Amino acid sequence: DGGITQSPKYLFRKEGQNVTLSCEQNLNHDAMYWYRQDPGQGLRLIYYSQIVNDFQKGDIAEGYSVSREKKESFPLTVTSAQKNPTAFYLCASSLGTVLETQYFGPGTRLLVL
Amino acid sequence: KNQVEQSPQSLIILEGKNCTLQCNYTVSPFSNLRWYKQDTGRGPVSLTIMTFSENTKSNGRYTATLDADTKQSSLHITASQLSDSASYICVVSPGTTDKLIFGTGTRLQVFP
Repeated sequence: DGGITQSPKYLFRKEGQNVTLSCEQNLNHDAMYWYRQDPGQGLRLIYYSQIVNDFQKGDIAEGYSVSREKKESFPLTVTSAQKNPTAFYLCASSLGTVLETQYFGPGTRLLVL
Repeated sequence: KNQVEQSPQSLIILEGKNCTLQCNYTVSPFSNLRWYKQDTGRGPVSLTIMTFSENTKSNGRYTATLDADTKQSSLHITASQLSDSASYICVVSPGTTDKLIFGTGTRLQVFP
């Protein structure tokens, strides 16, 4: 898992509730990413950030929000607008561009009650 | 459309045997190809990364090959161990965007 931590390991969301997934890295990486993994599908990019205070939408950003106030932190909020949030969420970081190897955290499994 | 397809979807082998996993891609332009290993309930871990000029790359018992002309890659596992049981994901970088293209993975199970 390198120097990337995600918390919590499991998270339960009630209907209409916003929840925030934490991602911290101590690798001094500039770029950070959030992916969603569903059974039988490849990882899909939610949001990514290449520098502090800047981030871009990925392929499935609807119903999610992020912030990048510090280089080492990239929290993901799953809002009530995300109607099918049950999935395994993975955070990753890399030195810079997508050409660099991405290092993944251990993941957070989100379940809806 | 940029796509990465992996085969087989799942594979069962006996401990000590060799196996080969396949990855075909239609990503263009191509920058590099990576293989990741993902244990159940964990994040993926990088095994190898190859650019278009590299034909093979090894990491211990894992050997990846790349044919950029046919847009195919394979991951060969030698003398499999129980700890090799995992999903193996092929990932291609187009090089023109900030997004990677992920395959759906091959689920490998190694039995004693």
